[in-house]
Amino acid sequence: AGLTQPPSVSKGLRETATLTCAGDSNNVANQGAAWLQQHQGHPPKLLSYRNNSRPSGISERFSASRSGTTASLTISGLQPEDEADYYCSAWDTSLNAWLFGGGSRLTVL
Amino acid sequence: QVQLLQSGAQMKKPGASVKVSCKASGYNFMAHYMHWIRQAPGRGLKWMGWINPITGGTNLAEGFQGRVTMTLNTATSTVYMELNRLTSDDTAVYFCARGENLWGHGTLITVSS
Repeated sequence: AGLTQPPSVSKGLRETATLTCAGDSNNVANQGAAWLQQHQGHPPKLLSYRNNSRPSGISERFSASRSGTTASLTISGLQPEDEADYYCSAWDTSLNAWLFGGGSRLTVL
Repeated sequence: QVQLLQSGAQMKKPGASVKVSCKASGYNFMAHYMHWIRQAPGRGLKWMGWINPITGGTNLAEGFQGRVTMTLNTATSTVYMELNRLTSDDTAVYFCARGENLWGHGTLITVSS
């Protein structure tokens, strides 16, 4: 049980990065997954709601989607400020718990 | 302004207890559960549980049951999280959050002898 993310992703400036989050039928598949960005020393910031919509003020460069038990966050036109840790999160109906993935550290080369 | 304001950093000795506060403002406090999440140094986010502001009922994550108490004061729109029997493994930043879209700034709790 849990949400699985690759620990690290590296892409070049202005390239596109896709981060993944693997869950199961008790969380991602039936509840959707939200995406959070965290810079060192700061609280997490919501990039995408569980229904894949963006909060007000979040750039269109951030786009979330879901296919079955896997959620994805695509970041286009990578900028230096996109270098951060990214977490997926979802409510698990079996565990009755809010789950977080282990996080993916995005490096912009 | 919609925000969650947390209490300041604390240093505690092993075996002690710590209580962290989180004051909500700018929204209907009674309309949203409040969650607590912690993040150990260099590690990911771990959900600890939530408190229902209407009933005061709580739902604690496995691993924290019996050691965490969540309470609230509706008059001041403040929630509290108390963690007992501290060990060095409890050294972390503790966040309150109103779901994914509103987070407190975090409170660093350091447990050291």
